[in-house]
Amino acid sequence: DAGITQSPRYKITETGRQVTLMCHQTWSHSYMFWYRQDLGHGLRLIYYSAAADITDKGEVPDGYVVSRSKTENFPLTLESATRSQTSVYFCASMVAGSSYNEQFFGPGTRLTVL
Amino acid sequence: AQSVTQLDSQVPVFEEAPVELRCNYSSSVSVYLFWYVQYPNQGLQLLLKYLSGSTLVESINGFEAEFNKSQTSFHLRKPSVHISDTAEYFCAVSDGLSGTYKYIFGTGTRLKVLA
Repeated sequence: DAGITQSPRYKITETGRQVTLMCHQTWSHSYMFWYRQDLGHGLRLIYYSAAADITDKGEVPDGYVVSRSKTENFPLTLESATRSQTSVYFCASMVAGSSYNEQFFGPGTRLTVL
Repeated sequence: AQSVTQLDSQVPVFEEAPVELRCNYSSSVSVYLFWYVQYPNQGLQLLLKYLSGSTLVESINGFEAEFNKSQTSFHLRKPSVHISDTAEYFCAVSDGLSGTYKYIFGTGTRLKVLA
């Protein structure tokens, strides 16, 4: 199916474990983004990528690692999960240079760290 | 740095009544403005956007927003709400000059439409 997908949709893990959240888009959009959504904070940018092999930090990057070896995939890894990383994570993508400047969002991953 | 303020965290309103959800952003020479809607347990969907041109923009489901440069605002309005409009609404700003396409989101306004 075309679009942007995230997996898993729900994840429970324990403090200290490594967790990887997957994001896949079928549009070949250049830009991809990872956000976390927390009550009272809205959505905050964790990392973004302008193209394959090009990534940069957002507002709240600490404790997260990203990679982008292929245009369509943008995994987010929590190297050693902490309770403060309990959140809903959204991936988004966008066409570079688009006059519409619209980001398209995935359905989200709800992560609970015990 | 760019910032976005949504003054109301929750807005209850009766069905068929008008509603305004407020959004203010910090000043910038060139900005793109967006409203996204999030229905329960779903991702965000674009509701409407202002890139340039007419300051009043409309969505297909009756919402409208007006870009006011002097007041640095982009308030969302609907003259008559429906139960199905119950959702969380996010205002977002992108700096048109930065070239990074990053959004800054507000904290969201939860609209609750009452029967």
